Amino acid sequence: GQNIDQPTEMTATEGAIVQINCTYQTSGFNGLFWYQQHAGEAPTFLSYNVLDGLEEKGRFSSFLSRSKGYSYLLLKELQMKDSASYLCAAGDSNYQLIWGAGTKLIIKP
Amino acid sequence: EAEVAQSPRYKITEKSQAVAFWCDPISGHATLYWYRQILGQGPELLVQFQDESVVDDSQLPKDRFSAERLKGVDSTLKIQPAELGDSAMYLCASSPGLAETSSYNEQFFGPGTRLTVL
Repeated sequence: GQNIDQPTEMTATEGAIVQINCTYQTSGFNGLFWYQQHAGEAPTFLSYNVLDGLEEKGRFSSFLSRSKGYSYLLLKELQMKDSASYLCAAGDSNYQLIWGAGTKLIIKP
Repeated sequence: EAEVAQSPRYKITEKSQAVAFWCDPISGHATLYWYRQILGQGPELLVQFQDESVVDDSQLPKDRFSAERLKGVDSTLKIQPAELGDSAMYLCASSPGLAETSSYNEQFFGPGTRLTVL
């Protein structure tokens, strides 16, 4: 079957670092996406990984291990505006995205 | 900057009424998706178009939902009759294509339509 698992909720402190994990199982694999979604808004693209390793983009980095079916999103120097849900999505053999339920990240001052 | 347009942004209706949502994808994007998202969950794919053709509508409740993209550009999603359980955010997304030559297929989302059925 196809499945995405990620934690429901995480809490972190402003200025700190947080890592959001995601495990996936898909029929075929065409990359791993991370999206950010603020409450009441549409998802916006953060990152894409198709090869193993770490992709860094400013304060955000994303890691992929295809052999383990595992990815994480690393957020550094957390800001209050980073409070949002973070959605992990895996591309399958039909170029559709299999979505996780999202991780709600709460940032405390 | 090119964006996906959706209207209306908010819709309140009574059960058994008909509702319709409109989406205009980014110009040149061949693939269009309609998703339903319930609070606290990830997006659920309802229908996927490639140009004017339906690629996948296996999760579309066809007894009450219909979707079309007649000219392969903008699209309409209709619900008739609406039920209480249809209250959700309806998201439209587009991407350049099925990416035969690349596995990268980022989806760009519109602002969504928040539907409330009373």
